[in-house]
Amino acid sequence: EAGVAQSPRYKIIEKRQSVAFWCNPISGHATLYWYQQILGQGPKLLIQFQNNGVVDDSQLPKDRFSAERLKGVDSTLKIQPAKLEDSAVYLCASSLAPYGGMTNEKLFFGSGTQLSVL
Amino acid sequence: AQKITQTQPGMFVQEKEAVTLDCTYDTSDQSYGLFWYKQPSSGEMIFLIYQGSYDEQNATEGRYSLNFQKARKSANLVISASQLGDSAMYFCAMREGRDSGGGADGLTFGKGTHLIIQP
Repeated sequence: EAGVAQSPRYKIIEKRQSVAFWCNPISGHATLYWYQQILGQGPKLLIQFQNNGVVDDSQLPKDRFSAERLKGVDSTLKIQPAKLEDSAVYLCASSLAPYGGMTNEKLFFGSGTQLSVL
Repeated sequence: AQKITQTQPGMFVQEKEAVTLDCTYDTSDQSYGLFWYKQPSSGEMIFLIYQGSYDEQNATEGRYSLNFQKARKSANLVISASQLGDSAMYFCAMREGRDSGGGADGLTFGKGTHLIIQP
């Protein structure tokens, strides 16, 4: 079974530039998450989708970050314009259960995109 | 307040020894789940073990076991007979049952423990 795919693996940009990350979850997984992991910290949830709808984006800095999952499958996370403090690994995860599923529903993660903002 | 606290930023352990990684959590929900993930240098988060708040037995998965003490709100990971390949970051995480309703139901992670196994 194919895992969660993310691209690119690495990205280096200058501040104020824009960048986009792509994620393709495991086939059939209803729920998709984007996490931000700053060096030395645990992942922090940015946004959660169920199919093509947003469940929660309360932690997403909406003045510069946007995300979509138009057809309920793959997803794109964009930053425009990037700031130095956006340097982090951006992890995409998916789970089979829809929103409100059992608490034992585990998340499957991709390898992440490492973003460096100079 | 931190929902997940991991107090050991780093640990050095001799190969073949057992190791305990600490995790305490904070929630007012009655229904919740606790997870441990391993993150090697490649970056991918690998699921290790799960414990539900209503589970009466401590969870075990091969060399991994979870020492669940509900009254103390702790969920420590125990790795028996450590191996060099166990060297990685380890994260404790929680999914709350959203007894209060609404909001995301993804995992909330601690800051992690960097485990290094020495030969």
